[in-house]
Amino acid sequence: AQSVTQPDIHITVSEGASLELRCNYSYGATPYLFWYVQSPGQGLQLLLKYFSGDTLVQGIKGFEAEFKRSQSSFNLRKPSVHWSDAAEYFCAVGPQGGNKLTFGTGTQLKVEL
Amino acid sequence: GAGVSQSPSNKVTEKGKDVELRCDPISGHTALYWYRQSLGQGLEFLIYFQGNSAPDKSGLPSDRFSAERTGGSVSTLTIQRTQQEDSAVYLCASSSGATNTGELFFGEGSRLTVL
Repeated sequence: AQSVTQPDIHITVSEGASLELRCNYSYGATPYLFWYVQSPGQGLQLLLKYFSGDTLVQGIKGFEAEFKRSQSSFNLRKPSVHWSDAAEYFCAVGPQGGNKLTFGTGTQLKVEL
Repeated sequence: GAGVSQSPSNKVTEKGKDVELRCDPISGHTALYWYRQSLGQGLEFLIYFQGNSAPDKSGLPSDRFSAERTGGSVSTLTIQRTQQEDSAVYLCASSSGATNTGELFFGEGSRLTVL
């Protein structure tokens, strides 16, 4: 069965600092990988996705993520965090050719001014 | 519509009552999903529709939960005899159904509180 682990429940960073959110997955084949963001009172919005090819993917709002097959990881990064990035971030895995996604438990990001 | 629409946005009910939650997906999206978001639990898959049929309902937690979709569009999630553990945010998502995109578009959710 597929699963996603986000080991950090809460992370606090200062505005302007760099950010890395961790995601590890368990899946029997090469998965589709996603990062979603949920701002308070909002639905989830797709930040970026990996299907194949270049293992470093760029997303919206200056985010990027790197797929590392050997580590079963898909960590999310941003070089300089803005106060508006405060939100909850979810990593998800899905099967190739399918749409059913399995989500991690999320990482709550707080940005200190 | 422009996005996925869910109603009601908030629902408070008494234990034992039935509730219905509605989802109106993006026009033309053939796939529709229900997820449940509980505090600290992430998103829990409930059911998936392709058109009006539900090829995967493996996440429905009990027979008190049911869902239907009509006209390949609107979906209703029904919870019978609600229990306090049903309190959560119920999220609906839709996608184009194409097998090479994977992107789900989410509504803002229906927050259910069972007293």
